[in-house]
Amino acid sequence: GAVVSQHPSRVICKSGTSVKIECRSLDFQATTMFWYRQFPKKSLMLMATSNEGSKATYEQGVEKDKFLINHASLTLSTLTVTSAHPEDSSFYICSAWTNTDTQYFGPGTRLTVL
Amino acid sequence: QKEVEQNSGPLSVPEGAIASLNCTYSDRGSQSFFWYRQYSGKSPELIMSIYSNGDKEDGRFTAQLNKASQYVSLLIRDSQPSDSATYLCAVGFSGGYNKLIFGAGTRLAVHP
Repeated sequence: GAVVSQHPSRVICKSGTSVKIECRSLDFQATTMFWYRQFPKKSLMLMATSNEGSKATYEQGVEKDKFLINHASLTLSTLTVTSAHPEDSSFYICSAWTNTDTQYFGPGTRLTVL
Repeated sequence: QKEVEQNSGPLSVPEGAIASLNCTYSDRGSQSFFWYRQYSGKSPELIMSIYSNGDKEDGRFTAQLNKASQYVSLLIRDSQPSDSATYLCAVGFSGGYNKLIFGAGTRLAVHP
């Protein structure tokens, strides 16, 4: 079946540093990928839609200058959390749709900002 | 504001029983509906998708959709302890772009 991978699975960083998270579609091409954030015991909140070859579309309330998204190829989207702070600590999950109208999620990246 | 509502639970059922999970949504134009299962610390995995009114069965799982009532449910027959997880209802946003709106999830606990 379709697989979406993420790297790293866990990252711990100091406040003020930047962290890059990669999302790859392994056996299909994805012109659109989605980035979600999930706080403990909360549901997934869509942060942005990543579009291959064009600018990402951010949801209301999500700072585009803080969460930089690059979708440089049909199989790779990256999310960079810039100048991370403890309140950015969360579970970040990407997803992609296949051409069979099924959305698959990556395994997630747990970010801890000290 | 498009919303998807779920009872947070926990829903506790004995092993072998039927678990019934419910979801209501506010976007009348939504055409696609999904149930995901999420284990603690893991990302969601797709269980069922449903697009038409009525029932859709897949193994022990049955999804039910009633667009007039804006209601979608998931039945799990012969519940197993391994089914214990949080079940997320997701609804396709009618504005397109393949965006999904998620409910907060219902925690299911199946006890032996």
